[in-house]
Amino acid sequence: DTEVTQTPKHLVMGMTNKKSLKCEQHMGHRAMYWYKQKAKKPPELMFVYSYEKLSINESVPSRFSPECPNSSLLNLHLHALQPEDSALYLCASSSIRASTDTQYFGPGTRLTVL
Amino acid sequence: LAKTTQPISMDSYEGQEVNITCSHNNIATNDYITWYQQFPSQGPRFIIQGYKTKVTNEVASLFIPADRKSSTLSLPRVSLSDTAVYYCLVHYNQAGTALIFGKGTTLSVSS
Repeated sequence: DTEVTQTPKHLVMGMTNKKSLKCEQHMGHRAMYWYKQKAKKPPELMFVYSYEKLSINESVPSRFSPECPNSSLLNLHLHALQPEDSALYLCASSSIRASTDTQYFGPGTRLTVL
Repeated sequence: LAKTTQPISMDSYEGQEVNITCSHNNIATNDYITWYQQFPSQGPRFIIQGYKTKVTNEVASLFIPADRKSSTLSLPRVSLSDTAVYYCLVHYNQAGTALIFGKGTTLSVSS
């Protein structure tokens, strides 16, 4: 099973709301990632977790707060977002033990900030 | 991090072979070359990965010359469902490192 699941599929929120995006994988991968993708642009890396510890933060604003509660789950907590944060948020995972690094992406959460 | 350059767009017809070339002049010794495919509003999907020479799987082939400064993704006999954006990435092949996506190539397949 090479599936990464993300919930919700769509999310609409106001600028004062607090919401969370959820990502789950059961492939035993110990590296997990959050990417942001604006329309007609390539995905941009936001965060990387290795062994449940944050290893890369690509200078993401603090209104985005990642969390990795266990090796299968990755959350992205959202607070006080701006309309320009509207985008497709992609989660990915990869195996640290594999000889080659292949990142498996989820279907994404389409976020709209009003 | 190695920068990649690929055509913005390509057009093809069903049944044709499509070759998309990516240049990566400053590829490092430990870097691998990976191609992803992305349909609208979906996550990227791994197609193929290679380090040198030629790699083939059930959906594509990847040709890498000896100097590794470029690579070519070959899609045999494309169909309408191959219409997508194709990204070439050059990266250190270890989990937990960043993937930097370039602009990608939008492939349009017509009947």
